[in-house]
Amino acid sequence: DAKTTQPTSMDCAEGRAANLPCNHSTISGNEYVYWYRQIHSQGPQYIIHGLKNNETNEMASLIITEDRKSSTLILPHATLRDTAVYYCIVHDPSGTASKLTFGTGTRLQVTL
Amino acid sequence: DAEITQSPRHKITETGRQVTLACHQTWNHNNMFWYRQDLGHGLRLIHYSYGVHDTNKGEVSDGYSVSRSNTEDLPLTLESAASSQTSVYFCASSEFGTGSEKLFFGSGTQLSVL
Repeated sequence: DAKTTQPTSMDCAEGRAANLPCNHSTISGNEYVYWYRQIHSQGPQYIIHGLKNNETNEMASLIITEDRKSSTLILPHATLRDTAVYYCIVHDPSGTASKLTFGTGTRLQVTL
Repeated sequence: DAEITQSPRHKITETGRQVTLACHQTWNHNNMFWYRQDLGHGLRLIHYSYGVHDTNKGEVSDGYSVSRSNTEDLPLTLESAASSQTSVYFCASSEFGTGSEKLFFGSGTQLSVL
């Protein structure tokens, strides 16, 4: 799987949009971009994933650049409960390669 | 509701003892995984299974073993616990062949080896 680069930490004011960037310049054609988050002391939680097109669900939006070398996870109205470590993962889910590799992620601190 | 549960939540043991951490999922998922998480590190894959009687080594498998006798359970065994195995352990499961790797994680087991 291709490697990803994320900032170590970010701050965001409550109620504002949190934009978390991820660089994956060596991504290959079959690889998806996945985002998970881990709230303190809990197991990681799936947020969203995408291949080429932008995606949106009830939790967040995922914007993938046209060349697919980077992406941004957007939490439209961050709350204190969104304080967590966010992991960007690039992975090809085809065949039996189901195992994801987690890096160290971005620690997002949402403040009042 | 379907879920994935780990037990115990906390465990203290002594060096050299055998320890087994339980993981049980009711999603009927084919794939199950064990990760460990240490301060300053991301999650590291220990072992994984793609189905009954299938087991595979991850990146940090030394000192650990798993067995898959049914779909629901993937117990993780530390054959002879070492202080370096003090960590938080997470179990996860996913459905094979769906085209998306949506992992469902348990709440974790905090293991201390003294």
